[in-house]
Amino acid sequence: DVKVTQSSRYLVKRTGEKVFLECVQDMDHENMFWYRQDPGLGLRLIYFSYDVKMKEKGDIPEGYSVSREKKERFSLILESASTNQTSMYLCASSLWTPWGRGETQYFGPGTRLLVL
Amino acid sequence: DAKTTQPNSMESNEEEPVHLPCNHSTISGTDYIHWYRQLPSQGPEYVIHGLTSNVNNRMASLAIAEDRKSSTLILHRATLRDAAVYYCILPNTGNQFYFGTGTSLTVIP
Repeated sequence: DVKVTQSSRYLVKRTGEKVFLECVQDMDHENMFWYRQDPGLGLRLIYFSYDVKMKEKGDIPEGYSVSREKKERFSLILESASTNQTSMYLCASSLWTPWGRGETQYFGPGTRLLVL
Repeated sequence: DAKTTQPNSMESNEEEPVHLPCNHSTISGTDYIHWYRQLPSQGPEYVIHGLTSNVNNRMASLAIAEDRKSSTLILHRATLRDAAVYYCILPNTGNQFYFGTGTSLTVIP
């Protein structure tokens, strides 16, 4: 059974703290993604990675960074958390696929982050 | 990048078929059409995808218009567990998915 796990389901942090969200997949997928989900805005892509040590900005990368040192692990980093980063964060992974096809993405359960 | 248009919400009676529409008038010839759904308090899950022909799997059917400018996700017998937000997606540049806000399906017992 395919599996994407996220380090925490719920997280409470203070403004200015450095926050690490971890995502691990066990499917040997090349692609990994970080999204945030807010009411009325749907899912928005923050960053994605198509290989180890490779990363690409998504639609809303400001205030975030990522790290992918191993194929199975993709970390999202909030360098200095702010209240507007309170959100649901979702990680996903997929196989590499030719341009335009889009391969099935498998999602983790999400981390609900509250920044006070 | 191609985008999709879906109704914000739909209702269906339990055990009746549901047809969820999606418009994608700027679709290119090689873009696959993907559908995902998100149950309450869960991450999105894959439902179905297709290119030109209609597709069936154990969860749903996907009917694609001949000109590919629209598609319809068909749930043959809606159950209460099908209440979710349904996303119609085209991969954009770099094979990223733009999820949008989807269609919130309410199933009435």
